[in-house]
Amino acid sequence: QQKVQQSPESLIVPEGAMTSLNCTFSDSASQYFAWYRQHSGKAPKALMSIFSNGEKEEGRFTIHLNKASLHFSLHIRDSQPSDSALYLCAVSIAGGNYKPTFGKGTSLVVHP
Amino acid sequence: DAGVTQTPRHEVAEKGQTIILKCEPVSGHNDLFWYRQTKIQGLELLSYFRSKSLMEDGGAFKDRFKAEMLNSSFSTLKIQPTEPKDSAVYLCASSLVWGGGQNTLYFGAGTRLSVL
Repeated sequence: QQKVQQSPESLIVPEGAMTSLNCTFSDSASQYFAWYRQHSGKAPKALMSIFSNGEKEEGRFTIHLNKASLHFSLHIRDSQPSDSALYLCAVSIAGGNYKPTFGKGTSLVVHP
Repeated sequence: DAGVTQTPRHEVAEKGQTIILKCEPVSGHNDLFWYRQTKIQGLELLSYFRSKSLMEDGGAFKDRFKAEMLNSSFSTLKIQPTEPKDSAVYLCASSLVWGGGQNTLYFGAGTRLSVL
């Protein structure tokens, strides 16, 4: 059964800092990797996803995937107080029968 | 476009009661997921439907948890009987076709359940 772990559990950074969040997974057949963001009391919302090794950048957010290391990460450049939220990583083996498995989340606080 | 709608937003139940949580997925989405979210366990899958067919029922949650898709635009999650350890946020999510290249889950805001 797929195991997904996130680190750190929580993080406090100053406004403007670079923030790095990590996610490891156990099944080498995994092919879908994503980050979701959940503001307090709100629905989780998809941020970015990646399917192949390498990097993908969208605005201030970069996702980096290394399948051989069973690891992917999210980097937030110029962190803003509005980025304060719970960040969830999700992993899935390709194919409709394979459910996405989530990590427990990293709680990020960006203070002004 | 309407997103995923969950009702009620908050529910308080006595131990042993039956409660029913409701979910309306995004219009046109074929896949629907129910998750339970706690700080200790994170998101745990309860049920997964594709085109109203049950694909997975979350193993350990079979006993007292039953999800149904009454039609393509409405799902319920029944917990019977409730126990204090069921206190959590219950999230419903839908996807156009999970695994078909459109792999984004759209979540509802959740139902916060407290069992006394």
